[in-house]
Amino acid sequence: QLQLQESGPGLVKSSETLSLTCTVSGGSISSSSYYWGWIRQPPGKGLEWIGSIYYSGRNYSSPSLKSRVTVSVDTSKNQFSLRMNSVTATDTAVYYCASEHVVVDYAMDVWGPGTTVTVSS
Amino acid sequence: SYELTQPLSVSVALGQTARITCGGNNIGSRNVHWYQQKPGQAPVLVIYRDSNRPSGIPERFSGSNSGNTATLTISRAQGGDEADYYCQVWDSAARVFGGGTKLTVL
Repeated sequence: QLQLQESGPGLVKSSETLSLTCTVSGGSISSSSYYWGWIRQPPGKGLEWIGSIYYSGRNYSSPSLKSRVTVSVDTSKNQFSLRMNSVTATDTAVYYCASEHVVVDYAMDVWGPGTTVTVSS
Repeated sequence: SYELTQPLSVSVALGQTARITCGGNNIGSRNVHWYQQKPGQAPVLVIYRDSNRPSGIPERFSGSNSGNTATLTISRAQGGDEADYYCQVWDSAARVFGGGTKLTVL
C-alpha cells in the first residue's frame, strides 16, 4: 500500500528558501500511473495546489506560485521535492504531498500526514 | 483561471441527507473529485470522477455533476461525517480546489 511522508525544516526565515521532501514507500515513484503533487493549507484556510511532477521530470506549477517554485524528482531515492524561494509569512502553512492517479484525472488518492512550516521574520 | 465555488457551511440533522454543492462554469463537462478533511488530519478522497467511491468509502457518500453544479450527497448523516469538504478539478494541467465547505451534523 502506497504511503507518503513529508520531511523538512519546520521553521524558515523570511526571504529564504523553503525545502521539503516527500518519500514514497509501498510503491515506485517511477510508476506510470501517478503524478506526484504538493498542496498547502494556511492556518484556518482551504487547500491550495502548488505543483506536480511525473517520474520523467515533466512538471506543472500553480500560475500564482510558478515564479518561486521548483518541483523535482529523484527516482533513485523514491522521493520528490519542493523548493520555494523568497518566502514570506503568507507561506506559513501545512504542506502536504500526495499521489495523483493519472487514470482518474489526477485524483489525489493518497496523502502524506502533512508538515507544518512557519516562516519567521 | 478556472474557479470553483462552494458554500462556506452546510448543516444537516443526524440521520438526514446533506448536499454540498460545487459551482463552476460548465463544470458538468469536467471530472470532479471530492475530499473530506477532519480537524488536524490530511484530506481523504471520498469521490472521484463525479460519482465513484474509492474502496473503504461508505455507500452513503455519492456524487453527481451536471451543468454548472457538482454535488456531494451524504445520506443518513452521522456525527463522524462532520468535516470540511473540498471539490477539485483538473484544468489545463492545473489542479483547482474549491474553497471548502464545513459540514455540521446537528
